[in-house]
Amino acid sequence: SQQGEEDPQALSIQEGENATMNCSYKTSINNLQWYRQNSGRGLVHLILIRSNEREKHSGRLRVTLDTSKKSSSLLITASRAADTASYFCATGGDYGGSQGNLIFGKGTKLSVKP
Amino acid sequence: KAGVTQTPRYLIKTRGQQVTLSCSPISGHRSVSWYQQTPGQGLQFLFEYFSETQRNKGNFPGRFSGRQFSNSRSEMNVSTLELGDSALYLCASSPGQEYNEQFFGPGTRLTVL
Repeated sequence: SQQGEEDPQALSIQEGENATMNCSYKTSINNLQWYRQNSGRGLVHLILIRSNEREKHSGRLRVTLDTSKKSSSLLITASRAADTASYFCATGGDYGGSQGNLIFGKGTKLSVKP
Repeated sequence: KAGVTQTPRYLIKTRGQQVTLSCSPISGHRSVSWYQQTPGQGLQFLFEYFSETQRNKGNFPGRFSGRQFSNSRSEMNVSTLELGDSALYLCASSPGQEYNEQFFGPGTRLTVL
């Protein structure tokens, strides 16, 4: 069963605009990750945020985590057509706790129009 | 370093057959995980192997099995294929020791007719 639920399911924006995707999860976590998938291909790891972190940046990506609300958001600033992809949040994968499996949400399909 | 490779990339089988998919992890990675992705169920964890031992297992029937070799390469097998097994099967590798990010291969697209 899915741990995370992304919102919205689909998002269409123009190049240069910002895109915000949200993820909610059910149980306590040690970390939360975001992945990108281009059109039915492999997933690419974007960013990991630990449960004791509230915000993390990587290039044009900003991730926030609110453990009290069991939610996270991914912001992509100044979007480009190349950002068109599906974005997934994932929990688990905590090898320190011997949980090697990731539990994914259903994803947000982002379309950036040139 | 070369990325995670999966073979074959595409496969067409008929119901009742069996299939074996292969995954070569990034050099030095000892953990290999398998995931099934379908439009209806999304991404679901199948199993994880670490140092030739199954460390975690998802909620899939016994028709789904896997193994890992001493060089960390992994195979998964699906016996008695059903139409619902049509999916993209993704393999991911990780160093496996307190390292949480996983590195995914391009996937094997399995179609069961």
